[in-house]
Amino acid sequence: RKEVEQDPGPFNVPEGATVAFNCTYSNSASQSFFWYRQDCRKEPKLLMSVYSSGNEDGRFTAQLNRASQYISLLIRDSKLSDSATYLCVVNDTGRRALTFGSGTRLQVQP
Amino acid sequence: ETGVTQSPTHLIKTRGQQVTLRCSSQSGHNTVSWYQQALGQGPQFIFQYYREEENGRGNFPPRFSGLQFPNYSSELNVNALELDDSALYLCASSLVDFSTDTQYFGPGTRLTVL
Repeated sequence: RKEVEQDPGPFNVPEGATVAFNCTYSNSASQSFFWYRQDCRKEPKLLMSVYSSGNEDGRFTAQLNRASQYISLLIRDSKLSDSATYLCVVNDTGRRALTFGSGTRLQVQP
Repeated sequence: ETGVTQSPTHLIKTRGQQVTLRCSSQSGHNTVSWYQQALGQGPQFIFQYYREEENGRGNFPPRFSGLQFPNYSSELNVNALELDDSALYLCASSLVDFSTDTQYFGPGTRLTVL
């Protein structure tokens, strides 16, 4: 079983749609949680950290459920520029290593 | 831009050769981590260097080795290259802080092994 599992997609949605990505992680010792965005053939870039209380950054909302070991990302009012691969990432502070899911590809269409 | 730089951007090698990849961390960051990203996969942790010492290692064989220098820049060395080593190699820098250690990635080096 992979440490971080994501639906690979692709998710094809029209502009303006709301789309949600889910992710599960297996290591209950994980301490920090993130969503990264990766454009084709580019490096991953931090989109947002994920906190237990849930957090929002503009059109993006992230949720964490530690009991279920589940992380989500909601994107509202999708833009063409949101087309990318979204990587769910967890960090076991003891190991100091980021563990990535394989990513979920989003394609926003006009 | 994160301020993390990597060189070279692209590299082509043949099986059995050795390669050295370089990374300069963001100003003020004392930790460098290296990741390998195969096509269609998420990055996989190779190892991390903190204050010139290896500070954690993923599931990679000993032919993957590294160094960190006093200015916190780093090298990744891979010996006896195999076809499966073809991937995007990413370095990420961070400031070790027990409250947060967000990692910032460089643009990567794309290695092709023929």
